Formats: sequence, structure tokens, C-alpha cells
Amino acid sequence: DTAVSQTPKYLVTQMGNDKSIKCEQNLGHDTMYWYKQDSKKFLKIMFSYNNKELIINETVPNRFSPKSPDKAHLNLHINSLELGDSAVYFCASSPGTRSDTQYFGPGTRLTVL
Amino acid sequence: GDSVTQMEGPVTLSEEAFLTINCTYTATGYPSLFWYVQYPGEGLQLLLKATKADDKGSNKGFEATYRKETTSFHLEKGSVQVSDSAVYFCALIYGGATNKLIFGTGTLLAVQP
Repeated sequence: DTAVSQTPKYLVTQMGNDKSIKCEQNLGHDTMYWYKQDSKKFLKIMFSYNNKELIINETVPNRFSPKSPDKAHLNLHINSLELGDSAVYFCASSPGTRSDTQYFGPGTRLTVL
Repeated sequence: GDSVTQMEGPVTLSEEAFLTINCTYTATGYPSLFWYVQYPGEGLQLLLKATKADDKGSNKGFEATYRKETTSFHLEKGSVQVSDSAVYFCALIYGGATNKLIFGTGTLLAVQP
């Protein structure tokens, strides 16, 4: 039973396209996140939702739009893809309190050509 | 702002050698501290955590102690194995209402037989 799952695992697309990455967690957690890992392995938070409400929105281009249809899902839609968007995107979830462990998905490797 | 500094990698060790990966942090208040591990081609897994000063987190032979006086959370293991080869991330939970994980840059560990 996969706790946090992401689809697709790999995504290769052309500049200017629009794409979505889906995330689902079956842990019953209240809070979900999107992180971006660049080519140097540096990880940075992008967004966080708690009970479908946006609570963290870092300095991310507005081409990136998260959508949470329910507590178990947090999708990431990216418009007008650019070369610099190439990265690994990780979804994560946590029960919700400050010191809680965050559980990460396997990642989606996005390559923009 | 809050930040985490890790030693630069890669760290290359022979099997059964002693491992230390240094991590120091800057934070307002009292963050919770984490070590995550990323095996090749996989997502992040929690390795261990500590939520208050002098706590020791431990898992799979790895240990780290939350040292408030030196603002450090160094990772140690007495005898590494080839299977420990991975990227190790030190992280803290931002001291506020949100659950924003702030990561260090990661340290690549390569263990040779």
C-alpha cells in the first residue's frame, strides 16, 4: 500500500506546454505539500495545503497552480513550461502539527525540452 | 531567516568506517530537527528526528543529538555499509504556524566495499 503516490513518475515535454502532476495520500493526513528539487539536489518548498486550504505559497511563478480537490489529493498544474522548470517535484503529507514527520512521494522527474 | 548548513560532499568511506555528517542550523525559537535520506532514484525517507534540546534521534544505527548550545544536529553511524550510500538531508521545521521544512543542501555519501 503506497502511502504517498505521484503520477507520472517521468514527464518529458516541450517548452510552452501545460502539464499536471497528481498526488494522492492514503494516510488520512490533513496537510499536503509540493517541493521542488533542482539539479544540484537542493530541495525547496513550493506550496502547502491544510484541509484543502492554501497555507504556504512560496515565491513561485504564477504559472504554477496547486489544486486540492479533497484532503487526500494535491495536484500541481504548470502552464507555459520553461526550461528552468526541469526538476524533480516531490509531494509530501503530514498529520498537520508543527513537529510532524512529512512523508514523501517517489517524485516526478520533469524534463522540459 | 531560518536556515540549515550541511557539510559539503561527497563523503567517501570504506565499509565499516565511522560516519559523521555535520549539520548546523539558524532558527528563531525552537525548531524540530530531522535527517532525511534519499537513496538513488527514490524519494525522501525520514531517517530520524528530534523535537527538543538534548533529544537523541536514532534509527538503523544512525544517531543525532539536538544540541541547542551549538545549534547542531550532526549525523553519526559507527559502521557504515555499502547500502548506506545515499544523499542525506538535514532539515528543520520552520518555527511558525506552518509546517515548512527547510532543508540543507544534502550530503552525498558513497561507501566502498
